[in-house]
Amino acid sequence: ETGVTQTPRHLVMGMTNKKSLKCEQHLGHNAMYWYKQSAKKPLELMFVYSLEERVENNSVPSRFSPECPNSSHLFLHLHTLQPEDSALYLCASSQVTGGQPQHFGDGTRLSIL
Amino acid sequence: QQPVQSPQAVILREGEDAVINCSSSKALYSVHWYRQKHGEAPIFLMILLKGGEQKGHDKISASFNEKKQQSSLYLTASQLSYSGTYFCGTEETSGSRLTFGEGTQLTVNP
Repeated sequence: ETGVTQTPRHLVMGMTNKKSLKCEQHLGHNAMYWYKQSAKKPLELMFVYSLEERVENNSVPSRFSPECPNSSHLFLHLHTLQPEDSALYLCASSQVTGGQPQHFGDGTRLSIL
Repeated sequence: QQPVQSPQAVILREGEDAVINCSSSKALYSVHWYRQKHGEAPIFLMILLKGGEQKGHDKISASFNEKKQQSSLYLTASQLSYSGTYFCGTEETSGSRLTFGEGTQLTVNP
């Protein structure tokens, strides 16, 4: 196992469903991130965790709930999403926050019906 | 503050050179460069830290002009594998969030 792994790769859900996105990193990094990537928009930072503590919540609606049980795993719990939440959700990790390269997973393509 | 990238898109023939620019209205601590191919994860290319520096590997290099708050990515003798969207990301201070530009779509044709 190498790098940053995200599951599932694709997810279709209704607005009333509850689902979770999973991210796992095998790089020994201490910081993990969730990004949202929409068509024709820049990558938007959602959450940052450093040593399992949330250090940034970039004004994300409460229908997105992150969880970081340990430094290798990161989840994004989803409930009551809106059609505009359809996007590619990318997880990334870095050794520490600040001045370090971020390693990205392949993302979860989320479609809200 | 989101950095501004230019151009938005560029089309090259194999072997040609390209320059992608990234500028900010704020003082910067670092500039990151990433490349993303369609359907794949963004791949880290390089980081440049304040102090003004230039980095490179193979035929891809970059410079960072701290005073002008801008960075440029240079791709020389482009190869088909260079196609993708190039993003710059900027940090205003060490540990601050990484803010990405809108990306530059680079297409290299045979």
